[in-house]
Amino acid sequence: KAGVTQTPRYLIKTRGQQVTLSCSPISGHRSVSWYQQTPGQGLQFLFEYFSETQRNKGNFPGRFSGRQFSNSRSEMNVSTLELGDSALYLCASKITGTGGDTQYFGPGTRLTVL
Amino acid sequence: AQSVTQLDSQVPVFEEAPVELRCNYSSSVSVYLFWYVQYPNQGLQLLLKYLSGSTLVKGINGFEAEFNKSQTSFHLRKPSVHISDTAEYFCAVSDQPGGGADGLTFGKGTHLIIQP
Repeated sequence: KAGVTQTPRYLIKTRGQQVTLSCSPISGHRSVSWYQQTPGQGLQFLFEYFSETQRNKGNFPGRFSGRQFSNSRSEMNVSTLELGDSALYLCASKITGTGGDTQYFGPGTRLTVL
Repeated sequence: AQSVTQLDSQVPVFEEAPVELRCNYSSSVSVYLFWYVQYPNQGLQLLLKYLSGSTLVKGINGFEAEFNKSQTSFHLRKPSVHISDTAEYFCAVSDQPGGGADGLTFGKGTHLIIQP
């Protein structure tokens, strides 16, 4: 079974632009979570989507948003990019929204903001 | 609120020697604990998890961890490391088995360096 895939793997943008990252979960997984990883702040939870609805949200500004499609694929959007948004963005999927399921992570998208 | 402290940012170990990576947590509710490994330019891979039951948890690649509630610790151990174990290791906690309202809360990570 294919793992979690994320596209693109690398991205370079300039300040003020917006960006969209994509995540395809493992087949059959309905929950998708996003995390931001930076050297200074480490791994931080952005949000979780389940059945096309945002279930949980971390402490990030409104510039960070996401959505989930009926096939469970998810996109994350960051508007008005800032230098501090440079990070590795990781997506994780699990089978259902209930407890007891392991989160499986994708390889990440490395975003560089110039 | 939950938090995780990984006491060592970097641990150098000789090949075939034992290793322990330390993790302490704080949580006011039920706690579920995880160790993930991240190889260079890759995502996170689950090594093992503690949800309930036996406090000694065995994972992949010969790793194990022991949940100690009184010391609020979940240290990761391997009796004999290999050069391929060089990676970043993350301890994580959640108030639900699969990640709660705040997702998984991660520690800052420990870089395990295996020296030949």
